[in-house]
Amino acid sequence: DAMVIQNPRYQVTQFGKPVTLSCSQTLNHNVMYWYQQKSSQAPKLLFHYYDKDFNNEADTPDNFQSRRPNTSFCFLDIRSPGLGDAAMYLCATSRDRNGADTQYFGPGTRLTVL
Amino acid sequence: GQNIDQPTEMTATEGAIVQINCTYQTSGFNGLFWYQQHAGEAPTFLSYNVLDGLEEKGRFSSFLSRSKGYSYLLLKELQMKDSASYLCAAMDSNYQLIWGAGTKLIIKP
Repeated sequence: DAMVIQNPRYQVTQFGKPVTLSCSQTLNHNVMYWYQQKSSQAPKLLFHYYDKDFNNEADTPDNFQSRRPNTSFCFLDIRSPGLGDAAMYLCATSRDRNGADTQYFGPGTRLTVL
Repeated sequence: GQNIDQPTEMTATEGAIVQINCTYQTSGFNGLFWYQQHAGEAPTFLSYNVLDGLEEKGRFSSFLSRSKGYSYLLLKELQMKDSASYLCAAMDSNYQLIWGAGTKLIIKP
């Protein structure tokens, strides 16, 4: 089945130790998003790629970087994780950026920072 | 500013009907989405409204009033598996989703 896959599902890292989360999709969608979601809060958009065009949200810390080497894969790099970065990280895709283009989410990666 | 308001938590009884309200303020409007999110899992798409009126999809229906900046999600014949958070998200003029914090729905037998 076509889907959005995230690895790993659970990631534990140490304070300040770089970590990379991955997302892949078989939907052949143009747009890929990374969200951060903390408990009982709304998902917070970090950035998105429209094809190869990278779009960073104004309030996304420099500590967060992303790469999209091809249509299928997108990576979230956290260069120096702090305790406040512990959260669920959600990858989503959409066919385009028009109103009717639904975002489909992967299962998420829960990041713990020790 | 852009804002989504929805109740934090609601409780309902198995087999009953519940309505979850959402009000939104966005710069421009390109539709209103409802997602379901079970604890510890990713959001899954439920509905999309861009025109005024009611969209029915099985036990779930979603309503939109653009003039009032208001939407609701109606769940009928509630089942225990419907216990989840329900997220309202409005799409602004830049096609960005503005998310609410979600309404946690608790279903009691």
